[in-house]
Amino acid sequence: EVQLVESGGGLIQPGGSLRLSCAASGFTVSSNYMNWVRQAPGKGLEWVSVLYTSGNTYYADSVKGRFTISRDNSKNTVYLQMNSLRAEDTAIYYCARGEFGRPLDDWGQGTLVTVSS
Amino acid sequence: QTVVTQEPSLTVSPGGTVILTCASSTGAVTTGHYANWFQQKFGQAPRALIYSTSNMHSWAPARFSGSLLGGKAALTLSGVQPEDEAEYYCLLYYGGAWMFGGGTKLTVL
Repeated sequence: EVQLVESGGGLIQPGGSLRLSCAASGFTVSSNYMNWVRQAPGKGLEWVSVLYTSGNTYYADSVKGRFTISRDNSKNTVYLQMNSLRAEDTAIYYCARGEFGRPLDDWGQGTLVTVSS
Repeated sequence: QTVVTQEPSLTVSPGGTVILTCASSTGAVTTGHYANWFQQKFGQAPRALIYSTSNMHSWAPARFSGSLLGGKAALTLSGVQPEDEAEYYCLLYYGGAWMFGGGTKLTVL
């Protein structure tokens, strides 16, 4: 059974850093497209980043240069390093996996990040 | 800056048919955008329904279908059920990156 479990969220001050983790089971992260998607309170979904099987990465313009996606194959875990956090980064962050043409087949339950002083 | 646009809200009667659309500010949506559709109910994580324009996930009810219509991606719900009331999001591919539409709140009334 595919499972994605996010962790690492919490309350952080503006300008701070946080690293989110997504522990995967039931599949191998290096063989799948791994994504982060976020949803601000009461707002729509925003795609944040993808790590392709090739190792190529892409980011939404809103986080480019501040966020970095990576994976640890030995731990079957994907990470999102978030730096220079802003109030507008406050959201539930979801980890999702997929493949070509279908990047978000399976989702975790999300972890809440709150950026506030 | 690229924008993906959906109807903010739609209302449909039980048993009726409704079409949700997804437009790209860059021009016509094509199969190369690999349109995906998601359903999200209150307090839940999103759930994938359609991938690559018109392919249904195995868990999606047969009343959902995807297509291209008039330069847009479209999600058609036929024989709408009360449990279909939810927010629906489209997702389009742009050369490596992806982008969601703003979502359509579907009310079944």
